[in-house]
Amino acid sequence: QVQLVQSGAAVKKPGASVKVSCKASGYNFISFGINWLRQAPGQGLEWMGWISAYNGNVNYAQKFQGRVSMTTDPSTSTVYMDLRSLRSDDTAIYYCARDFRMAAAGDWFAPWGQGTLVTVSS
Amino acid sequence: EIVLTQSPATLSLSPGERATLSCRASQSVSDYLAWYQQKPGQAPRLLIYDASNRATGIPARISGSGSGTDFTLTISSLEPEDFAVYYCQQRSNWPRTFGQGTKLEIK
Repeated sequence: QVQLVQSGAAVKKPGASVKVSCKASGYNFISFGINWLRQAPGQGLEWMGWISAYNGNVNYAQKFQGRVSMTTDPSTSTVYMDLRSLRSDDTAIYYCARDFRMAAAGDWFAPWGQGTLVTVSS
Repeated sequence: EIVLTQSPATLSLSPGERATLSCRASQSVSDYLAWYQQKPGQAPRLLIYDASNRATGIPARISGSGSGTDFTLTISSLEPEDFAVYYCQQRSNWPRTFGQGTKLEIK
C-alpha cells in the first residue's frame, strides 16, 4: 500500500536548521509530487511548498522563501525538507503529503506521512 | 492569496443528526476545493475532492457540494467516528490554503 514514513522528532535551538525526511513506498515515486505542510500546536494547517519527485522542481509558499529547501532522492524514494533560521514559532508538526493524482502539481493531499514534531526552544 | 473562511467554528450535535459545514472563499476557486478530516493525534485524511467527489473508502453519508465561492460538507447521519475537526482547502491558486477548521463535537 502507498505509505509515507517520516523521520523522528527533533529539538532545535533558535537559529538552527532542521532537516525532515519522508520516505515513500508502494507506488512509482517519480510519478507524484510531494507537498510539505505544518501544524502548530492547537492550530490549523499551513502549506509550505511542493516538489516534483521527477525533476526536483519546487514551488514554495512566499512565507518560507529563502528559509526552506526541498530536495528529492529518487534512488531511495525519499524527499527532504530543510528549514533554516528556526524560531520558536516554527514549533509544529511537519507533514509530507503526496499529490493525490499523478502529474498534477500541488494536487489534493493524500496520503499523508505520520508527522514529525519539531520543537524550537532555547 | 485565497482566504477560506469556515463556519461554524464549533458544531455540537448528537449521533444520528445531520451536520452541515460551510466554507467560503475570498474569490472563486471554481470546483477546486477539498475537505479533510483530522482526529486527535492523527494526520488529516482526504474526504472530498473537486468539491463533490468522495475519496476511496469514504462512506456515502459524507457528501460535498458547491462551486465558485460557497461550499458545503454534509454528513447525513452522524456516526461516533465522525466527531473530529474538518478543514477545507483550495488548489485553484498558489499558495494552497486551508480554512481555519470546524470542530464537530458530541452534544
